[in-house]
Amino acid sequence: GENVEQHPSTLSVQEGDSAVIKCTYSDSASNYFPWYKQELGKRPQLIIDIRSNVGEKKDQRIAVTLNKTAKHFSLHITETQPEDSAVYFCAASIGGTSYGKLTFGQGTILTVHP
Amino acid sequence: NAGVTQTPKFQVLKTGQSMTLQCAQDMNHEYMSWYRQDPGMGLRLIHYSVGAGITDQGEVPNGYNVSRSTTEDFPLRLLSAAPSQTSVYFCASMLTGGPKQFFGPGTRLTVL
Repeated sequence: GENVEQHPSTLSVQEGDSAVIKCTYSDSASNYFPWYKQELGKRPQLIIDIRSNVGEKKDQRIAVTLNKTAKHFSLHITETQPEDSAVYFCAASIGGTSYGKLTFGQGTILTVHP
Repeated sequence: NAGVTQTPKFQVLKTGQSMTLQCAQDMNHEYMSWYRQDPGMGLRLIHYSVGAGITDQGEVPNGYNVSRSTTEDFPLRLLSAAPSQTSVYFCASMLTGGPKQFFGPGTRLTVL
């Protein structure tokens, strides 16, 4: 089955700096890669996603890049703010009728210091 | 539009007890699923359903049963709870064509 590795497990940055979280996956058939943000005690919230026919996607301060050849994808947050502090999860699925069968990474605890 | 709802929010069980975690959605989503979240391990898929009457196993199905009699509801049953099932359980739903999944607020289960 699919295996998703996520790094780093913790990330501490100063407000205004950029943050990058990286994930690698094992199944070359995977073609849907969402990122979720989870605040303490809350549900995971989808913040951005990318499909394999796209190399990069951006939404305001958040961007995701995908390298299918190397089987890795990354989340980039620019101009970080204290409210970006949360746990971030990457995930992968093979899409089609299996979009919902997500395999998650272990999570990254992001702390943004004012 | 309540989205995905889960009950209860918290539950404490003794080893060997049974219970059902409830999940409902009002978005007419065909696809529903259950995940468990343990510290340092992300979320893992337990069971999923692509529509009423159809269920299948995910990555960690042992110890859990599901059924899907309606589009709206997807309960998760623990027949004989074990301490290893202490976790936070999330239900999710999406349209069949995907890809965006919407998660419920979660149920925190402790098995003593």
